[in-house]
Amino acid sequence: DSGVTQTPKHLITATGQRVTLRCSPRSGDLSVYWYQQSLDQGLQFLIQYYNGEERAKGNILERFSAQQFPDLHSELNLSSLELGDSALYFCASSVLGDGIYGYTFGSGTRLTVV
Amino acid sequence: AQSVTQPDIHITVSEGASLELRCNYSYGATPYLFWYVQSPGQGLQLLLKYFSGDTLVQGIKGFEAEFKRSQSSFNLRKPSVHWSDAAEYFCAASNNAGNMLTFGGGTRLMVKP
Repeated sequence: DSGVTQTPKHLITATGQRVTLRCSPRSGDLSVYWYQQSLDQGLQFLIQYYNGEERAKGNILERFSAQQFPDLHSELNLSSLELGDSALYFCASSVLGDGIYGYTFGSGTRLTVV
Repeated sequence: AQSVTQPDIHITVSEGASLELRCNYSYGATPYLFWYVQSPGQGLQLLLKYFSGDTLVQGIKGFEAEFKRSQSSFNLRKPSVHWSDAAEYFCAASNNAGNMLTFGGGTRLMVKP
């Protein structure tokens, strides 16, 4: 157990629907990162939050949004889902806003859009 | 643009043989460098990281990596591979601001008995 908790582990939904993925960072970590892993794109950075504030944005679609709550857990919202959104979504956390102490990954949420 | 390249998509080695997985990076300054391992259906586990100092870094599970600035490389090595090492290995980098990790495409390691 890495200490980063992601729920649900698996999600199957239809095209056009909206889902929410949840991440609880490791105790003491202030920063949360979201990554998407797909066969064709590999591991892509989506977005980072640090202590409730958006810190950096990567290749995140406009249909996707995220937030970090006061208790530091984060949610990634995916809407108007398309078949191509099927992927493994990882959350990682770190102590500060940089990676000097490393990044700890959760076990991921596997999203299947049918 | 910042990038990380893992030239080998697949590598097969015999159990007990030595292993070297290649990683090259392209960054403006020396980045933080990481190696992660992903077993099937699992998340990413950190093997080792390099920030500065000694260019030979020791990690978990008997892995080590060597940072070579002149070659922009951070290759992962293990002297004797075990069947349980079969997995996908990712090299990653972040800049000093460390906002995010840029991953290589991964190398899938298969171990022959």
